[in-house]
Amino acid sequence: SYELTQPPSVSVSPGQTASITCSGDRLGDKYAYWYQQKPGQSPVLVIYEDDKRPSGIPERFSGSNSGTTATLTISGTQAMDEADYYCQAWDSSTVVFGGGTKLTVL
Amino acid sequence: QVQVQESGPGLVKPSETLSLICSVSGGSISSFYWSWIRQPPGKGLEWIGYIYYSGSTNYNPSLKSRVTIAVDTSKNQFSLKLSSVTAADTAVYYCASLTGTTRGYFDYWGQGTLVTVSS
Repeated sequence: SYELTQPPSVSVSPGQTASITCSGDRLGDKYAYWYQQKPGQSPVLVIYEDDKRPSGIPERFSGSNSGTTATLTISGTQAMDEADYYCQAWDSSTVVFGGGTKLTVL
Repeated sequence: QVQVQESGPGLVKPSETLSLICSVSGGSISSFYWSWIRQPPGKGLEWIGYIYYSGSTNYNPSLKSRVTIAVDTSKNQFSLKLSSVTAADTAVYYCASLTGTTRGYFDYWGQGTLVTVSS
């Protein structure tokens, strides 16, 4: 079965750039999606189709996808960005989620 | 604005069937695909399956033998049944709209409902 691998945790200082990776076999040939989940809340889509931002998502969120790795980048990270982030892709007609990355802003 | 809301028992006994309903408001259930996703306490997201208003379904291969998702267009609802549950099925269960298959994403999520499997 298809797997997406994320680092369990990433730390960043306020105002700096955070990068969260998601790796999978030939992931660059698929679309990657990213969700943000804060404690006790439902996930929220922050990036779709590799690099598109839904309405209402700040410009500091961006995405890229090439080769075997998709990357979520948060520029000028703010304390409010501290959350769990999950990547998602499709393997044929099934949905696959990455294991999630806890972003700590300190 | 589409809203989805999960409902159902919060406690299910081992070996029994977990049953949940997702109610859709603010839009027609014919407009999207609809999905169930779960999250065990302290763990990541796991996709369970999706359904189209026509009734066509697709399930996570790891759960396929125990899962049934159905739609009731007259009530603007869809449902989840998971049979032969064990403690490993304890999780927050989310329903969500799915914009499409093979390249879709989950855009409207319910608040989630915690289902505990315990005797």
